[in-house]
Amino acid sequence: GQNIDQPTEMTATEGAIVQINCTYQTSGFNGLFWYQQHAGEAPTFLSYNVLDGLEEKGRFSSFLSRSKGYSYLLLKELQMKDSASYLCAVKDSNYQLIWGAGTKLIIKP
Amino acid sequence: GAVVSQHPSRVICKSGTSVKIECRSLDFQATTMFWYRQFPKQSLMLMATSNEGSKATYEQGVEKDKFLINHASLTLSTLTVTSAHPEDSSFYICSARDLGGDFAEAFFGQGTRLTVV
Repeated sequence: GQNIDQPTEMTATEGAIVQINCTYQTSGFNGLFWYQQHAGEAPTFLSYNVLDGLEEKGRFSSFLSRSKGYSYLLLKELQMKDSASYLCAVKDSNYQLIWGAGTKLIIKP
Repeated sequence: GAVVSQHPSRVICKSGTSVKIECRSLDFQATTMFWYRQFPKQSLMLMATSNEGSKATYEQGVEKDKFLINHASLTLSTLTVTSAHPEDSSFYICSARDLGGDFAEAFFGQGTRLTVV
């Protein structure tokens, strides 16, 4: 079956760096997405990786290793507003999005 | 990024009534839209894929007669929860892909919090 694994919850300190991991096993691979979702709101797009390597966008970076079925989202200079759930999603061979359960990130002062 | 508008954001209805939720792509055409359901502290569960001009494709376990989907135009899809029951209370989210964008990423509507009393 298809499976996306992420930690359920993580805690980090304001101003610090946190890495959220995602491992996947899917039927085919056509890209990996990271979304941010604040409580009670819909997800918003953060990043997209389809080739191996690191994609940097401001304070957020996303890494992909297709051979390992692994990605991470790196958040730097954490701010209180970064407290949210972070969803990893993979586009499979049918171009359907397979979603992870999300990682709830708690930022402490 | 592209904008997807979902309405209403919150609705409370009585058990046995029907509720319609609208999903609009405001600045791009979406031949395909997706309807998700999300329970508290859980990830998105795909309910159905809405195709413009044709019947929706429902995921296994989703009752098509209960969750009616209409995709009459390239910018509008509607989900009607018929004969709603308290167990239908949930967060419903639509999304559409902007195939003209760089990544064809999905953009989400604001979501609809449905409470059936």
